[in-house]
Amino acid sequence: TQLLEQSPQFLSIQEGENLTVYCNSSSVFSSLQWYRQEPGEGPVLLVTVVTGGEVKKLKRLTFQFGDARKDSSLHITAAQPGDTGLYLCAGEGDSSYKLIFGSGTRLLVRP
Amino acid sequence: SAVISQKPSRDICQRGTSLTIQCQVDSQVTMMFWYRQQPGQSLTLIATANQGSEATYESGFVIDKFPISRPNLTFSTLTVSNMSPEDSSIYLCSVVTGSGYTFGSGTRLTVV
Repeated sequence: TQLLEQSPQFLSIQEGENLTVYCNSSSVFSSLQWYRQEPGEGPVLLVTVVTGGEVKKLKRLTFQFGDARKDSSLHITAAQPGDTGLYLCAGEGDSSYKLIFGSGTRLLVRP
Repeated sequence: SAVISQKPSRDICQRGTSLTIQCQVDSQVTMMFWYRQQPGQSLTLIATANQGSEATYESGFVIDKFPISRPNLTFSTLTVSNMSPEDSSIYLCSVVTGSGYTFGSGTRLTVV
């Protein structure tokens, strides 16, 4: 069974601070995705990383896929209150198109 | 990317009853997925709904409890049967297209 462990579970920071969220597994994934979910909404895709060692940037968000394609990180620079939400990593598992979700990181950015 | 309309958005149901959740997509998609998100937790895949064949259920989920219909390439339903308070969760449908995965806004179910 493929599992994704996400840390930290909760993060409360001041506006302007930086943070990193980690997503780790003992399994290899063909791709890894990051989502943000706000209350009352479904998860919204932020990025997909496919190649080991890949780094993608989305404004103040930087995503990295581990060389072995077993782990990933999300780094947010100068966090803003609008970044508040539940961040989820998800890997495409053994069977095509089936997503395995991490446990989630609930981020609160205080003004 | 695909646009998904999911309804109802929320419901409060009596234990022992059933609720059917609908998911409509604005384009034809081969695979649709149903997830459960328990309070404060992440998403767990319930089943994959394929048009023209029976749904494929994940470990811990059975057809008698969560029957799924997929009558065409743009629509699916999930029924939560004989509900108990433990079924209180958010249920989400999802599709995958060339643009990636898209999720419905979810159905927040409370069983009392």
